Amino acid sequence: AAGVIQSPRHLIKEKRETATLKCYPIPRHDTVYWYQQGPGQDPQFLISFYEKMQSDKGSIPDRFSAQQFSDYHSELNMSSLELGDSALYFCASSLNRDNEQYFGPGTRLTVT
Amino acid sequence: AQSVAQPEDQVNVAEGNPLTVKCTYSVSGNPYLFWYVQYPNRGLQFLLKYITGDNLVKGSYGFEAEFNKSQTSFHLKKPSALVSDSALYFCAVTLSGFQKLVFGTGTRLLVSP
Repeated sequence: AAGVIQSPRHLIKEKRETATLKCYPIPRHDTVYWYQQGPGQDPQFLISFYEKMQSDKGSIPDRFSAQQFSDYHSELNMSSLELGDSALYFCASSLNRDNEQYFGPGTRLTVT
Repeated sequence: AQSVAQPEDQVNVAEGNPLTVKCTYSVSGNPYLFWYVQYPNRGLQFLLKYITGDNLVKGSYGFEAEFNKSQTSFHLKKPSALVSDSALYFCAVTLSGFQKLVFGTGTRLLVSP
């Protein structure tokens, strides 16, 4: 069965650079969630979208922005990267907001 | 605000023995509870969920969980552990439907041969 696709899988950036992470949800899923998992930490919710509109916002820095496009894929844009942004970034999708979330493999971002 | 506690950082069990991974929750309402498993360098895999109904929920790979409202617990169980079950297990909760997940700190399960 098709799963959530995230690209790139690994990304290395320097401080103050920008990064764009992409998420392609499971076909027909219309809701996308972004989570950040620091080393040895549990995943923390960043932001979510339902039918291309932002539906909820968590502990997402102002330096980060995200959107969901007409084909339901989503992009997380991160600017002025800091060392502390190094983490595993997960995207999850669900069929509308009323079903369980399925996670992608994650993008490991390393900021040097 | 909702929260989840996983009191054990690690659980060790011998292959073939039953396993339990503990989870307690705190929400001001009716919780939606989930278990996810994470293998090294992999994403989170959905195991099972409780929304309403039967307190015993069966999920993937032979796992099950029991919802106990009076104890606000949702412990994960499996009758006979496999070495391949060794992984990091997260309990999670949402409120008012399937919204953002709030995760516990995770429990590492180590099944020895």
